Amino acid sequence: GIQVEQSPPDLILQEGANSTLRCNFSDSVNNLQWFHQNPWGQLINLFYIPSGTKQNGRLSATTVATERYSLLYISSSQTTDSGVYFCAVALYSGGGADGLTFGKGTHLIIQP
Amino acid sequence: EADIYQTPRYLVIGTGKKITLECSQTMGHDKMYWYQQDPGMELHLIHYSYGVNSTEKGDLSSESTVSRIRTEHFPLTLESARPSHTSQYLCASSDPGKTHEQYFGPGTRLTVT
Repeated sequence: GIQVEQSPPDLILQEGANSTLRCNFSDSVNNLQWFHQNPWGQLINLFYIPSGTKQNGRLSATTVATERYSLLYISSSQTTDSGVYFCAVALYSGGGADGLTFGKGTHLIIQP
Repeated sequence: EADIYQTPRYLVIGTGKKITLECSQTMGHDKMYWYQQDPGMELHLIHYSYGVNSTEKGDLSSESTVSRIRTEHFPLTLESARPSHTSQYLCASSDPGKTHEQYFGPGTRLTVT
């Protein structure tokens, strides 16, 4: 199956700092999603980005499918950005319902 | 408002009990999924469904079972809970007609004593 590696595993920053989270994957994909898991365990959709670049406020993401990596940028960090960020991928073909393969996540702590 | 609902949010139960975790979605999606997540770890797919009367096992072996009698409802059952079943269980759905983007419910945190 597809392997997903995220880096760094842990990141501690001061409020206002910028950060870049990386996701490498081992095979072609046609679904790549970034999630933020809040302290209550809920997964919040950040981006659906199998290729290209998207921006949403202070967050942006870029996926270079040919080189099998994706980057999540967080600018001007706030304490509410703390939590675990997951990258998840899948390769769907012919209507298959296979689920997402998740990386181990980046645990981000933003200190005031 | 279209959403995914899971009940209960938290459950503490004794060994040997039968439990059913509920998942419902009002998004009109055909495909639904169950994932298991141990504390501090990544999510693993344990069951999925293409639609009504379709159920498939996922990548991670699980003693749980699922059913899909209605499009919007995808419950997960453990016939006899054990401490090794202690985990968080998250339900998701996706609409293959547009993208394959998956949307998750709030999860059920299960503790078996």
